[in-house]
Amino acid sequence: EAGVAQSPRYKIIEKRQSVAFWCNPISGHATLYWYQQILGQGPKLLIQFQNNGVVDDSQLPKDRFSAERLKGVDSTLKIQPAKLEDSAVYLCASSVVEAHYNEQFFGPGTRLTVL
Amino acid sequence: AQSVSQHNHHVILSEAASLELGCNYSYGGTVNLFWYVQYPGQHLQLLLKYFSGDPLVKGIKGFEAEFIKSKFSFNLRKPSVQWSDTAEYFCAVNVRGRDDKIIFGKGTRLHILP
Repeated sequence: EAGVAQSPRYKIIEKRQSVAFWCNPISGHATLYWYQQILGQGPKLLIQFQNNGVVDDSQLPKDRFSAERLKGVDSTLKIQPAKLEDSAVYLCASSVVEAHYNEQFFGPGTRLTVL
Repeated sequence: AQSVSQHNHHVILSEAASLELGCNYSYGGTVNLFWYVQYPGQHLQLLLKYFSGDPLVKGIKGFEAEFIKSKFSFNLRKPSVQWSDTAEYFCAVNVRGRDDKIIFGKGTRLHILP
């Protein structure tokens, strides 16, 4: 079974530039999550999708971050414009149904460095 | 606000030593509890989980964790560690019935000396 795919694996940009990350969840997984993991901290949920609808985006900085999952499969996370404090690993995860009944499967992450 | 505390940020042990990593959470309702592990260069993966039933749960690679409701704790244990257990370990909590959000602790970096 193929795992969660993410690209790119690494990205270096300057502040005020834009960046986009892509995630392809495990086939058949309806729920998709984007997490931000800052160095020395645990993953923090940014947004959760159930199929193509948003379940929770309470911790997404909506003035600069946006995410979509148009066909209920792939998802993109965008930052525009980036700030220095956005330097982190961005993790995508998917699960069959809601997290508390099934485990989340994580992708390799995208390491973003903002200079 | 719901929070998860992992007391040890960095633990160094020799092979064959016993391991216990602490995890405490702040919410008093019904919770689901998880331990995730991230080996060097690899993805986060589930080590074990507790939803209900026997409070002593067994996971992969000889790990186990005990849910003690009165202490709001879910400590991870392994009786004899191996060099290959070198990794970062994350405790995570989900409050059942509230939302589907999982809150992660800050992680414990475990280094096993050969």
